[in-house]
Amino acid sequence: QAVLTQPSSLSASPGASASLTCTLRSDINVGTYWIYWFQQKPGSPPQFLLTYKSESDKQRGSGVPSRFSGSKGASANAGILLISGLQSEDEADYYCMIWHSSTWVFGGGTKLTVL
Amino acid sequence: QVQLVQSGAEVKKPGASVKVSCKASGYTFTSYDINWVRQATGQGLEWMGWMNPNSGNTGYAQKFQGRVTMTRDTSITTAYMELSSLRSEDTAVYYCARNPGETGRFDPWGQGTLVTVSS
Repeated sequence: QAVLTQPSSLSASPGASASLTCTLRSDINVGTYWIYWFQQKPGSPPQFLLTYKSESDKQRGSGVPSRFSGSKGASANAGILLISGLQSEDEADYYCMIWHSSTWVFGGGTKLTVL
Repeated sequence: QVQLVQSGAEVKKPGASVKVSCKASGYTFTSYDINWVRQATGQGLEWMGWMNPNSGNTGYAQKFQGRVTMTRDTSITTAYMELSSLRSEDTAVYYCARNPGETGRFDPWGQGTLVTVSS
């Protein structure tokens, strides 16, 4: 089982909200991890969006709009990237990442379509 | 502004080695780690390893142990990633990314270097 699992795709309408999940393997407790999120548009390198561990430990990247936010779903053992007020420019691939066993591990990525 | 500029595309034969450079500017080179991440066409991101430009210390993903070497030249604020014994599966875009050590704030990223392994 992969360390981090992300749904391969998600569609949402402009103006709506999208919740992207990053599920940790069942033997890894999401509560102890910083979850990092990156956005990648076609033909461009990834860009750091935000990191979230708890409501008191979180940080958005420079210039990242406040409509991007992080949270956790403890019952689902998952990190969550919430994008509110979706815009066409949010259409991209989104990757989560954690530090696990002395290694940075990426999720497989979610392709977000805004239509 | 903070910037990482990578070397140009490479075409290599199976079994050869490739060395990709990552020129840093706009910040104190020795104050941030450099990580290397690769991405095969249409695939996800794969972390390869990190290097501390101040100490030269490195850490590699197990998958690449023995095949990858990360070095730097502080006099020209440049980091290098060398991958040996290339095979077709190594065809990918290779990125460098800065992070303030012990965090995953990879920011910024280099523009990427396409390495093609083909006979």
